[in-house]
Amino acid sequence: NAGVMQNPRHLVRRRGQEARLRCSPMKGHSHVYWYRQLPEEGLKFMVYLQKENIIDESGMPKERFSAEFPKEGPSILRIQQVVRGDSAAYFCASFAGTGGIEAFFGQGTRLTVV
Amino acid sequence: DAKTTQPNSMESNEEEPVHLPCNHSTISGTDYIHWYRQLPSQGPEYVIHGLTSNVNNRMASLAIAEDRKSSTLILHRATLRDAAVYYCILRVLYTGTASKLTFGTGTRLQVTL
Repeated sequence: NAGVMQNPRHLVRRRGQEARLRCSPMKGHSHVYWYRQLPEEGLKFMVYLQKENIIDESGMPKERFSAEFPKEGPSILRIQQVVRGDSAAYFCASFAGTGGIEAFFGQGTRLTVV
Repeated sequence: DAKTTQPNSMESNEEEPVHLPCNHSTISGTDYIHWYRQLPSQGPEYVIHGLTSNVNNRMASLAIAEDRKSSTLILHRATLRDAAVYYCILRVLYTGTASKLTFGTGTRLQVTL
């Protein structure tokens, strides 16, 4: 899973600031998922994107959270006006789509809100 | 979302086989059964997947019940490096190539000497 690059690995933000998490999928992959993981819990689906399209955002909080996957460049998960409850590990995964069965996960971004 | 049920934790001795069960009674005909595992402080990694037939790969075997309402991940010889949280997931298809992986709480496998 080293092919999916997430940065930064660790991010500290004060309450009220914005957090931007980046995910570069594996080469040739046009599908990206974002997940959130609280300590000692499983991964919660947030959003599923294809290039320039949001396929499923049913797991995204309605306010402060947004995601994009532009034609060029990484996928971005943006959290505005962060609160302590946003502290978690955020993982992105990519897969090829057509014929692609295996999803490849990045190492995650650990967001801490102080 | 399609749900899976797994035991919270299991223990195994090193070099012994491990059978990790999963129930997915609401599975539909097009849902694939996937297994991923997550080592501490890492992202999940793919282990194996199947639809109807039993599957083998270099990491594990997957035994799927005839009615597909349950499955078992088999690690043939557990090692200390297999200690992880193992997630049984149903890969739900939208249309075409789009699909979704919904994780449950997983089984934490402890391997001891």
